[in-house]
Amino acid sequence: GQNIDQPTEMTATEGAIVQINCTYQTSGFNGLFWYQQHAGEAPTFLSYNVLDGLEEKGRFSSFLSRSKGYSYLLLKELQMKDSASYLCAVMDSNYQLIWGAGTKLIIKP
Amino acid sequence: IAGITQAPTSQILAAGRRMTLRCTQDMRHNAMYWYRQDLGLGLRLIHYSNTAGTTGKGEVPDGYSVSRANTDDFPLTLASAVPSQTSVYFCASSETGGGNQPQHFGDGTRLSIL
Repeated sequence: GQNIDQPTEMTATEGAIVQINCTYQTSGFNGLFWYQQHAGEAPTFLSYNVLDGLEEKGRFSSFLSRSKGYSYLLLKELQMKDSASYLCAVMDSNYQLIWGAGTKLIIKP
Repeated sequence: IAGITQAPTSQILAAGRRMTLRCTQDMRHNAMYWYRQDLGLGLRLIHYSNTAGTTGKGEVPDGYSVSRANTDDFPLTLASAVPSQTSVYFCASSETGGGNQPQHFGDGTRLSIL
């Protein structure tokens, strides 16, 4: 079966750095996406990785290792507005997205 | 503002009733999707459409049907609602049906089946 694993919940302090991990086992791989979802709202796109390595976009960076079936999302200089769920999703061999259950990130002052 | 519009925002429905969730996008995206999101689970694909006139089944299609008569609209119908279909339903679209195109989501429909 296909599986995406993320921690259920993480807590971090405002101004700090946090790393949210995602491991996956899927039938094929055509890219990995990270989305942010505030409570009661729609998911919004953050990043896309298809090749190994780090993609940086402002305060957010995403890393991929295809051989390890592993990705992480790195959030720097945390702000209170970063409190949200972060969803990892892998595009499988049928070009369908398989989604993790999401990591709820709580930011404390 | 360009994007995806879903209606209704929320609905309480008696079991056995028929219900259509509406989804319209104005981005001229070819691909559209319907997901359900349940607590503790990832988004699960119900049905998708890679282009107008075509549809396909996702991971959890039973009890749901869709149509794609044109590029903009992608309604989801529950023929006879059951309590297990209580969920938040998201419609999404992307320029094409695969590759590096991110999916853009509507604000969701919160559906409760009693």
